[in-house]
Amino acid sequence: QVQLQESGPGLVKPSETLSLTCTVSGGSITSYYWSWIRQPPGKGLEYIGYVYTSGPTNYNPSLKSRVTVSLDTSKNQFSLKLSSVTAADTAVYYCAGSKLGIPYWYFDLWGRGTLVSVNS
Amino acid sequence: QSVLTQPPSVSGAAGQRVTISCTGGSSNIGAGYDVHWYQQLPGTAPKVLIYGHTNRPSGVPDRFSGSTSGTSASLAITGLQAEDEADYYCQSYDRSLSGSRVFGGGTKLTVL
Repeated sequence: QVQLQESGPGLVKPSETLSLTCTVSGGSITSYYWSWIRQPPGKGLEYIGYVYTSGPTNYNPSLKSRVTVSLDTSKNQFSLKLSSVTAADTAVYYCAGSKLGIPYWYFDLWGRGTLVSVNS
Repeated sequence: QSVLTQPPSVSGAAGQRVTISCTGGSSNIGAGYDVHWYQQLPGTAPKVLIYGHTNRPSGVPDRFSGSTSGTSASLAITGLQAEDEADYYCQSYDRSLSGSRVFGGGTKLTVL
């Protein structure tokens, strides 16, 4: 049973860089696309981007200039960096996985989510 | 503003049938890209309910079904139960957004 766990600071100052890590346990990190998705308080889901071992990353065009998603296979982790944050970046951040090699690309694994607030 | 449009809320009495619509365009649903549906119970992470338009993961009751026509998709829930009260999101792929995955704005289901 593959499980995901987000970790990182719960509070980030405006204009700084938000950094989160997702640890994958119970399965191979090379078997999935790994994504970040966020949800501002009381609002809907927003796709941020994905990474996987055998190809390029993909980012939401609205965030692309500020986002980096990367993979560390030696630690079974992937990470998110979002630069120049503002209050609009306050959200619950989820890490999620999509199985490689099947006909459908959907988010079948989810972490519990971590709330990141942007505030001075 | 979401690329995929859902009604903000729907409601139905216990035991009844409700549908939730998801309207896209020619660069996503209308182009034939898969539609997936997620259920988010209060205070929890979303979980996949329907994938590839009509497929249910194991453990999802057959009261939930999905369909697609043209540039729209629908999620139907029959035999409504109190435990179905949640937020529901559709998700697809949009070729005009550099291969970005896109979500609907979400629909709050209230069971009366």
